[in-house]
Amino acid sequence: DGGITQSPKYLFRKEGQNVTLSCEQNLNHDAMYWYRQDPGQGLRLIYYSQIVNDFQKGDIAEGYSVSREKKESFPLTVTSAQKNPTAFYLCASSTYVGRAAETQYFGPGTRLLVL
Amino acid sequence: KQEVTQIPAALSVPEGENLVLNCSFTDSAIYNLQWFRQDPGKGLTSLLLIQSSQREQTSGRLNASLDKSSGRSTLYIAASQPGDSATYLCAVTERGLIFGKGTKLSVKP
Repeated sequence: DGGITQSPKYLFRKEGQNVTLSCEQNLNHDAMYWYRQDPGQGLRLIYYSQIVNDFQKGDIAEGYSVSREKKESFPLTVTSAQKNPTAFYLCASSTYVGRAAETQYFGPGTRLLVL
Repeated sequence: KQEVTQIPAALSVPEGENLVLNCSFTDSAIYNLQWFRQDPGKGLTSLLLIQSSQREQTSGRLNASLDKSSGRSTLYIAASQPGDSATYLCAVTERGLIFGKGTKLSVKP
């Protein structure tokens, strides 16, 4: 089955700790994205990558870091600099046609909670 | 800066009704617009994508329209069913997607 997997489903972070959220896709998509969802605020773009070894900041990149060493994988690290990390994190991927992305497909999400 | 607004925030209808969900955006220079469905605690499921050059797209009981000049899109759901209960999100494409806050739909049996 083709799709996007995210792990873990739930993640707990202690204060001052960095944690990494996994995102893997087998759709052969060039572009991958990370979004954060907070109640009442909708989804906001954290980082995106159009191609391997390249990524760009989204609207709320502070306190987060990413890497794109393989086409299939786009892990997100929530660093200790992110002061309010509790949220639902969604990874997505798409083909990228010219300047416009096509349909984005989403993973099941990771819920991050702070202890 | 692009802003996406969805009205209403919540909607409750009896089973079998036809309904319309509204989405508006402030910058008409979009590449495309997508409608998604989200069930509680789950990821997003893509319903329809409308390219900027298109006026509408249909999938089963769903029909989405796009009027770029007025900055509006509508999602029409025909003959609603309890299984349609979910939050519906619209999003326009820029670098990533710019989302509205969604319409929470409840279809009562």
